[in-house]
Amino acid sequence: NAGVTQTPKFQVLKTGQSMTLQCAQDMNHNSMYWYRQDPGMGLRLIYYSASEGTTDKGEVPNGYNVSRLNKREFSLRLESAAPSQTSVYFCASSEEVLGIFGNTIYFGEGSWLTVV
Amino acid sequence: DAKTTQPPSMDCAEGRAANLPCNHSTISGNEYVYWYRQIHSQGPQYIIHGLKNNETNEMASLIITEDRKSSTLILPHATLRDTAVYYCIVSPRGAGNTPLVFGKGTRLSVIA
Repeated sequence: NAGVTQTPKFQVLKTGQSMTLQCAQDMNHNSMYWYRQDPGMGLRLIYYSASEGTTDKGEVPNGYNVSRLNKREFSLRLESAAPSQTSVYFCASSEEVLGIFGNTIYFGEGSWLTVV
Repeated sequence: DAKTTQPPSMDCAEGRAANLPCNHSTISGNEYVYWYRQIHSQGPQYIIHGLKNNETNEMASLIITEDRKSSTLILPHATLRDTAVYYCIVSPRGAGNTPLVFGKGTRLSVIA
């Protein structure tokens, strides 16, 4: 049962470098999300994709771009990494953003990113 | 901003019931109450959700007040593995796309 898979799990970047976090889900979910979590804080939504072909900004989109490559995959790109982007990044998916079954979201295990 | 208020931390003795409160005084008629938990930096895990009736599953019970302005998550027999941050979230069902917004949650420590 893979569920939501994120890669890489750990990454150290230098300021100004770029990188892409990859996420894939095997539950045939329509909606996918990227959250970040700073130490001692709750999760904050960066971007989400309600369905294939659509993306929307969340609470903290600045400095990030996303691509919903297909129904399974949703990537997060840092074009020019900054120390303020040091965080744990979680990808998640759900059947729908809104649906008759509500928003049961399944999370990946997280990607630890450090920008020095 | 999160539309819920939770205590930042709580302790519970192992084997006892853990009762985690949540205030959501501005909840709308079409908004569900969801509970998730996050164990030691793992991805959050869904626990339970409800609209206005009390709900129970294999993990927990959810008690929602009649006016729906507050709710309580009950872990009937807390174990050390229930130590986690618990998030109470309200989210609408209906028109528009509104992903879940997580606040800071309640850090539950289960003590042996």
